[in-house]
Amino acid sequence: AQSVTQPDIHITVSEGASLELRCNYSYGATPYLFWYVQSPGQGLQLLLKYFSGDTLVQGIKGFEAEFKRSQSSFNLRKPSVHWSDAAEYFCAVVKQAGTALIFGKGTTLSVSS
Amino acid sequence: NAGVTQTPKFRVLKTGQSMTLLCAQDMNHEYMYWYRQDPGMGLRLIHYSVGEGTTAKGEVPDGYNVSRLKKQNFLLGLESAAPSQTSVYFCASRNDDSRGTQYFGPGTRLLVL
Repeated sequence: AQSVTQPDIHITVSEGASLELRCNYSYGATPYLFWYVQSPGQGLQLLLKYFSGDTLVQGIKGFEAEFKRSQSSFNLRKPSVHWSDAAEYFCAVVKQAGTALIFGKGTTLSVSS
Repeated sequence: NAGVTQTPKFRVLKTGQSMTLLCAQDMNHEYMYWYRQDPGMGLRLIHYSVGEGTTAKGEVPDGYNVSRLKKQNFLLGLESAAPSQTSVYFCASRNDDSRGTQYFGPGTRLLVL
């Protein structure tokens, strides 16, 4: 069965510092992978997605993610974090047969000044 | 173009009461989903629909029913609310491409006393 693991429940980063949020997936075939962001009290917004091809994908708000098949990972990165990036981040994979997303449990990002 | 909207935004119920959550989308999407979000659990799929008149069970369907009488609407019903159903409920929709982005509504916060 497909699953997604986000090992870090909570991360604190200084404003201006770089960020990497980890995501590992379990899936038997080429996965479709997504990163969503949820600001407090809001719905989820898509940051980026990977289907195939170039393993480094660019998203909105200056985020990027790299797909590494050998490590079953899809880590999210940003070179310089802004205070407005404080939110909860979810990694997700499309369930086989393309019906629903399987979400990780999320990583809460705090940004310190 | 409002995207995905949810009604109501917040509701308090007493144990045993019933209610219906409404999700509407104006993007002509075939697929619609209901998720619940609980602290530390990420989002879990309750029910979904692959088209008008169809519904299917997700990961946590017990205690909920759904209907998709019109393509643009997806209703989630609680026949007899329980405190364990206290949660934030998100609706999402996407087109019929399995790589398609799921668009999320703003959520409904439900408290069952």
